[in-house]
Amino acid sequence: QQPVQSPQAVILREGEDAVINCSSSKALYSVHWYRQKHGEAPVFLMILLKGGEQKGHEKISASFNEKKQQSSLYLTASQLSYSGTYFCGTEGGDTDKLIFGTGTRLQVFP
Amino acid sequence: DTAVSQTPKYLVTQMGNDKSIKCEQNLGHDTMYWYKQDSKKFLKIMFSYNNKELIINETVPNRFSPKSPDKAHLNLHINSLELGDSAVYFCASSHLGQVHEAFFGQGTRLTVV
Repeated sequence: QQPVQSPQAVILREGEDAVINCSSSKALYSVHWYRQKHGEAPVFLMILLKGGEQKGHEKISASFNEKKQQSSLYLTASQLSYSGTYFCGTEGGDTDKLIFGTGTRLQVFP
Repeated sequence: DTAVSQTPKYLVTQMGNDKSIKCEQNLGHDTMYWYKQDSKKFLKIMFSYNNKELIINETVPNRFSPKSPDKAHLNLHINSLELGDSAVYFCASSHLGQVHEAFFGQGTRLTVV
């Protein structure tokens, strides 16, 4: 079952903040976050393991609520380089398959 | 040195043809994947494969078959290509287990005409 991300798209001005949510209908063992720029391959940002873990990457951080089967990605003081499509990737406890969410397109303008 | 490489980068072919996409990784990973990214940008897993197990997404037509000659390669064979197969196909690899990041190849844009 594919995780659902919200919002589907975000438009920001440089310096603004954004939150991207990822919600799964299945119990999760871990959540990955990736960014894909136009015409390129997805690139890994971070992994969060169950247990309320929070991680950070530059001014991008994320949280994982295992009980709610949700993760959120926080982009602070966005830069032009943040533009792209963000995917969460989830792994359940019974499989090594990395299933990606529906994606959130983020555009940052000057 | 490219970590995960796919060839070709672009592939244009006619309906009904059979084609292959090659993938190689030099990261020493033991798990490899194929993903299909359609025009809506959804990344759908097609296969995951490690030394011991091939896991097939049940929605993948049996015209698609992965072939792994060794741990470093996972090729994708597609028979009787259809218009709906047009998409970008990504190969990825990771260490076995659930806590390791996946590294992606640059993608193969397949266009069926």
